[in-house]
Parts: sequence; C-alpha cells; structure tokens
Amino acid sequence: NAGVTQTPKFQVLKTGQSMTLQCAQDMNHNSMYWYRQDPGMGLRLIYYSASEGTTDKGEVPNGYNVSRLNKREFSLRLESAAPSQTSVYFCASSEQEGFGYTFGSGTRLTVV
Amino acid sequence: AQRVTQPEKLLSVFKGAPVELKCNYSYSGSPELFWYVQYSRQRLQLLLRHISRESIKGFTADLNKGETSFHLKKPFAQEEDSAMYYCAPLDSGTYKYIFGTGTRLKVLA
Repeated sequence: NAGVTQTPKFQVLKTGQSMTLQCAQDMNHNSMYWYRQDPGMGLRLIYYSASEGTTDKGEVPNGYNVSRLNKREFSLRLESAAPSQTSVYFCASSEQEGFGYTFGSGTRLTVV
Repeated sequence: AQRVTQPEKLLSVFKGAPVELKCNYSYSGSPELFWYVQYSRQRLQLLLRHISRESIKGFTADLNKGETSFHLKKPFAQEEDSAMYYCAPLDSGTYKYIFGTGTRLKVLA
C-alpha cells in the first residue's frame, strides 16, 4: 500500500520553464491537496480538490494550476516557473474534508 | 484573521526531561486541532487530534479554550522524538487546516 506517491522527488528548472508535479493516492480518498513548505512559513495551501471533478484555490494559488484527473490523481502545474516558486511541495489526501491527511514524501523544486 | 502561532522555532531538551511544544490559535468557534510530525527524511504524518483524547508515542495535547492553546506534551523525552512538529487547527467553516510554522524539537543525549 503506497499511500500518496509524488513524482518527481527533485527538480531544477530555469526561470520561465514549465512543469507538472504528479500526485497519486491509492486509498480511495475523496479530497486531495497541494501545499508548499517554505522556511519559517509552515505549510501553505496552494489548491485543493474536495472531491473528484472539483478544484478550488487555497491561500497561495498564483502561478499554479491544478487538474483532478480522476479520483486517484491530482497534478500541479507551473506554467512559467519563477525563483519565488522554489520550495518543497507536498501533496496530501484525506478521506474527506476535515479528516486527517496522508502526505506524500514531497518534491524539492529549485527555480534558477 | 484566523491564525495559529507556534512561538518556538527550536526547542532543545535533554533525554528524560519533560517536553511542551506550544501552540496558540485565534479562531472563532471551536476548531478541531491536530498535531503533525515530520521525522528526518520521512514524510509529514498525523500525530494526534484533540477530539480523540489519545496518547500517541507518549504525547498528549489538551485543548484549553480559555487560553486558546493546544500545547503538545510528553513527560519524558526520547531521542527518537527529535523531529519537526506542526500544530494545525481545522477551520470548521472551510474544513481546511491552517498549519503553524512548526517547532523543531531536538532531544539531546
């Protein structure tokens, strides 16, 4: 049972490049989330999907887009990467909103 | 605005000493409160939630509505408790967590 799987684990991008972070869960959870973790700022919610077919903005959505491809998969896209997007990105899922989260192992992204 | 504060970035204690990781929140209503932990080179994981009133790995957390606090406590720290700890109230209106900035606990031998 893999839980929440994120790919890639590490990535270096040049300013202006685009990329998609992948997230998949095998727990049949309804809700999925993308967070970024920056030193001294804790985890901040970028986007979330309360259930399959819905997505909503979180606290820091600018510069990102998401797709809830199906119940298992929730991807995060950076269309034109900026150095301010250098961060560690975590995907999480929960049975439904308000329940405890299961986190992925994170993606460390550096934009140069 | 709803906020959660973990005043200590780093807390160092000796093995066997009591530990208290502080968390204060400013929320309207009665939020559910959670503690998450991230051990070195591991993913973030749920440690405990206040409504379950359980003790996990010797840790407990009591909700003090008067002081709006949800401090995490353990009577005798172990070296394996060294980790990053996040307090995370759940906003009952949006059903989203607001994570604190975290406290790094170092338990010294």
